[in-house]
Amino acid sequence: QKEVEQNSGPLSVPEGAIASLNCTYSDRGSQSFFWYRQYSGKSPELIMFIYSNGDKEDGRFTAQLNKASQYVSLLIRDSQPSDSATYLCAVANQAGTALIFGKGTTLSVSS
Amino acid sequence: DTEVTQTPKHLVMGMTNKKSLKCEQHMGHRAMYWYKQKAKKPPELMFVYSYEKLSINESVPSRFSPECPNSSLLNLHLHALQPEDSALYLCASSRVVGQGGTEAFFGQGTRLTVV
Repeated sequence: QKEVEQNSGPLSVPEGAIASLNCTYSDRGSQSFFWYRQYSGKSPELIMFIYSNGDKEDGRFTAQLNKASQYVSLLIRDSQPSDSATYLCAVANQAGTALIFGKGTTLSVSS
Repeated sequence: DTEVTQTPKHLVMGMTNKKSLKCEQHMGHRAMYWYKQKAKKPPELMFVYSYEKLSINESVPSRFSPECPNSSLLNLHLHALQPEDSALYLCASSRVVGQGGTEAFFGQGTRLTVV
């Protein structure tokens, strides 16, 4: 059974702080890793994807991937109240024939 | 264009009705997905089409019937649903980018209520 594990939270951080979201996965054959943000009642919105070991930065977001440890994380710098949402980690295999989600981490940013 | 379009946005249907959900993308993606999402739960994979062929069926009841008429369209035919099938139904599409990377996008979903 391929699994994607996330701490469900809630993770609470003050405005302006760094929020750190973590995800582990069980399938060593996994090639691509996604972070989605989902507001209540809305569909998931792609924030970033990463497929090479190391860091990938996009604005206030940094994704980090360590395939040896089967670990992927998302850092949100200068957190804003509008970042309050559920963050879903998803893993795809190389063929893109399966995209499996973790249970999501709820982030709450207080002003 | 990074858009996956789903129609309708909302659907209320009776348990004896037949209805269809539609999904369209024009990004040239060759893998398309149906997911079901209940409140406060992650999306659950239902079906995957790869190059217009059904590649994954996650043991979904036969009252849900997927169809992929061409590389841009994905349908989900619904018949004799139960109230517990009420959920947000999400369509997604993906393509391979770079070396082993996959890029995937979701539509806005269809909020289905079975009465």
